[in-house]
Amino acid sequence: GAVVSQHPSRVICKSGTSVKIECRSLDFQATTMFWYRQFPKQSLMLMATSNEGSKATYEQGVEKDKFLINHASLTLSTLTVTSAHPEDSSFYICSARGPTGSPNYGYTFGSGTRLTVV
Amino acid sequence: KNQVEQSPQSLIILEGKNCTLQCNYTVSPFSNLRWYKQDTGRGPVSLTIMTFSENTKSNGRYTATLDADTKQSSLHITASQLSDSASYICVVSSHTNYGGSQGNLIFGKGTKLSVKP
Repeated sequence: GAVVSQHPSRVICKSGTSVKIECRSLDFQATTMFWYRQFPKQSLMLMATSNEGSKATYEQGVEKDKFLINHASLTLSTLTVTSAHPEDSSFYICSARGPTGSPNYGYTFGSGTRLTVV
Repeated sequence: KNQVEQSPQSLIILEGKNCTLQCNYTVSPFSNLRWYKQDTGRGPVSLTIMTFSENTKSNGRYTATLDADTKQSSLHITASQLSDSASYICVVSSHTNYGGSQGNLIFGKGTKLSVKP
């Protein structure tokens, strides 16, 4: 089945620095990728949707200048948390979807990245 | 307002026992309903997906049911194993033409299942 790889699985960074998280679809072309944030004991909250080659669409309340998303190829999307602060500490998860009508049109999630800002 | 409510919030059972998790939704228009298993510190893994016309779907020891009239779904786990300890998330999709947005996926808060020896 479809596999989505997310790296790193854990990262600790200092306040004020930037962190990049990668999301790769390993065996299919992901025309659309999604980024979520999940706080303890809470649901996944959609942050943004990105289509390959175009600008990401951010959900209300998500700062696009703080959470930079790049989807330059059909197999890779990156989320960069800029000038991270302790309140950005969370579990970040990506998911990927293949083209309409393809076997990979469903939503496949990455394994998540635990970000801790100290 | 589109919502997905899951119950119970948490559940503890003994290894080998069966259990049933509930999901009620008020999502319209409805496209499909998915159950995911999320281990602690990991991303969700799909267990089942059901469309409007399907009322049951099995995946090994997991059996999901859907009643589109009452807008209820359940996930039944048979002969539980220690590895079943995880959060189980019900996710409802509100339409079929995604048009590039996943904003139509509505997530429940999950049921945290603990299987004890």
